[in-house]
Amino acid sequence: NAGVMQNPRHLVRRRGQEARLRCSPMKGHSHVYWYRQLPEEGLKFMVYLQKENIIDESGMPKERFSAEFPKEGPSILRIQQVVRGDSAAYFCASSPPPESGANVLTFGAGSRLTVL
Amino acid sequence: RKEVEQDPGPFNVPEGATVAFNCTYSNSASQSFFWYRQDCRKEPKLLMSVYSSGNEDGRFTAQLNRASQYISLLIRDSKLSDSATYLCVVRRTDSWGKLQFGAGTQVVVTP
Repeated sequence: NAGVMQNPRHLVRRRGQEARLRCSPMKGHSHVYWYRQLPEEGLKFMVYLQKENIIDESGMPKERFSAEFPKEGPSILRIQQVVRGDSAAYFCASSPPPESGANVLTFGAGSRLTVL
Repeated sequence: RKEVEQDPGPFNVPEGATVAFNCTYSNSASQSFFWYRQDCRKEPKLLMSVYSSGNEDGRFTAQLNRASQYISLLIRDSKLSDSATYLCVVRRTDSWGKLQFGAGTQVVVTP
């Protein structure tokens, strides 16, 4: 039973380029979450999605960041025109739907973005 | 003020000793509480959920004090493999998917 799969694990971009991070949830999980961890800081919530629907994007920066979880394929976190301050570890997590009684998120290994 | 605050440490603990540390949270609407463990540059992994009556999982004991808005983690008989950063995590009643993470408490177990 594969866990939450994220790729790429490491991504280097120059300022102004685009970064795309992908996340495949655990089998049977329908909800996906993206968190960002800056160096020496805690994880910060970005967005919560289910297939074809954004449930909560209150943690997303207003510009350059977008997320989707299409009917088919992985969830994608897209960062346009990256800046050095976007350098961070981006963790994806997944869970069954809350109404199932599930209470816990399972995290992927993360994607580390470095902006030169 | 951060919603979840932790002493960053490090707590240097001799192997076999006991270590305990707290986490405070500011939002009284907080509903669920967890301790996650994060090894260097890896993903957070659930250590244990924290229940109102307190709970134990092997060498780990978690306590919740709603009146004072803090949770604690105690590790008995520390092992070298317990060296990690322990993340205090809180979920509010009004936002199921949005976990609030503390910045973590670093524990270093020494031989």
